[in-house]
Amino acid sequence: DAGVTQSPTHLIKTRGQQVTLRCSPKSGHDTVSWYQQALGQGPQFIFQYYEEEERQRGNFPDRFSGHQFPNYSSELNVNALLLGDSALYLCASSLRDSNQETQYFGPGTRLLVL
Amino acid sequence: AQKITQTQPGMFVQEKEAVTLDCTYDTSDQSYGLFWYKQPSSGEMIFLIYQGSYDEQNATEGRYSLNFQKARKSANLVISASQLGDSAMYFCAMRRPISSGSARQLTFGSGTQLTVLP
Repeated sequence: DAGVTQSPTHLIKTRGQQVTLRCSPKSGHDTVSWYQQALGQGPQFIFQYYEEEERQRGNFPDRFSGHQFPNYSSELNVNALLLGDSALYLCASSLRDSNQETQYFGPGTRLLVL
Repeated sequence: AQKITQTQPGMFVQEKEAVTLDCTYDTSDQSYGLFWYKQPSSGEMIFLIYQGSYDEQNATEGRYSLNFQKARKSANLVISASQLGDSAMYFCAMRRPISSGSARQLTFGSGTQLTVLP
């Protein structure tokens, strides 16, 4: 049973560029959430996708956008990259309306903006 | 708004001993979920244990147990018989009630770095 997978594992970009991160959820899950984790901090919620729609959004600017595909996989796009966007980006999947709705995380994508 | 507080930035424990990691939370919801995750240096967030606010018994999962005191709004993680592989960052997180339209994201604390000494 495959867990949550993310690609790429590492990425280096320069300021002003755009980046796309990808996530495949755990088998049987239908909801994908994205989190940003700066060094030494806890993860911060970016947004959540269910039924190919953004359902909740955290306190992140419009430069952060996403998409969910019919197979439940998801993408996170960040435009006009800033140095402060350097972080570990975590994707989590869950099964909506399940008893606990436990979120299971992928290994993350480490983004460095120079 | 929900808030999670983890007051121990770092903890040390001797191998084979038990350790308690503290977590307090603040919420106006009557129903909520509490989670603990382990994050090794590799970065992946590993789910450890879940406690529902209406669960009558404290959750247990192998060597992990949750000391849930609802009136004090605390949900401390207890790791028994520590192993070297337990060395990692540990995060406490909360989710609002599962209901149509409610926010389902996790709110995390700042984490506790646990080091197990041989």
